[in-house]
Amino acid sequence: NAGVTQTPKFRVLKTGQSMTLLCAQDMNHEYMYWYRQDPGMGLRLIHYSVGEGTTAKGEVPDGYNVSRLKKQNFLLGLESAAPSQTSVYFCASRPTPGTGGLNTEAFFGQGTRLTVV
Amino acid sequence: DAKTTQPNSMESNEEEPVHLPCNHSTISGTDYIHWYRQLPSQGPEYVIHGLTSNVNNRMASLAIAEDRKSSTLILHRATLRDAAVYYCILREIQAGTALIFGKGTTLSVSS
Repeated sequence: NAGVTQTPKFRVLKTGQSMTLLCAQDMNHEYMYWYRQDPGMGLRLIHYSVGEGTTAKGEVPDGYNVSRLKKQNFLLGLESAAPSQTSVYFCASRPTPGTGGLNTEAFFGQGTRLTVV
Repeated sequence: DAKTTQPNSMESNEEEPVHLPCNHSTISGTDYIHWYRQLPSQGPEYVIHGLTSNVNNRMASLAIAEDRKSSTLILHRATLRDAAVYYCILREIQAGTALIFGKGTTLSVSS
């Protein structure tokens, strides 16, 4: 059981280049999330998805797009990378709360370290 | 989501208990209290969560004040591996939205 897997683990981009970060989970979770973490900061939510074919904006969505074509995958795209997008990106997933609205724990990937020069 | 307040940093010695405080004076009746931790160069990992009663699991204990305006994460015997950033997060019972992270408490453990 691999859990949450992020690809790639490291990447260096030039300003203006585009790329896609892939998050894959094998736990059949409904909810998936993309965060970014800058040095000395907590995680900030970029976009999230509550199910296949759905996406929604988080705290810092500008400059990013996402897609959830398959339940197990959540893609984060940078159309035109900027130095301000240099960060560590984390993906997370969690199952739908069960009957009675019980909270569920989230599982995080190991992160993608992106540098835009 | 209601906000939480945590100390920026704390220090502990190995094999001693650690009490990490969290204030959440604006907590609502439908907010769960979650704790996650982030080890160096890793993604966050779940530690524990609770609503009203104290909770125990293999990693830690969560003590929740009677008025729910504060809580304490208790590591019973700190190890070097427990050095991490600990995040206290509130989340509504049936929220489909994400965990919203603050800056957390950086715990240092000395041998």
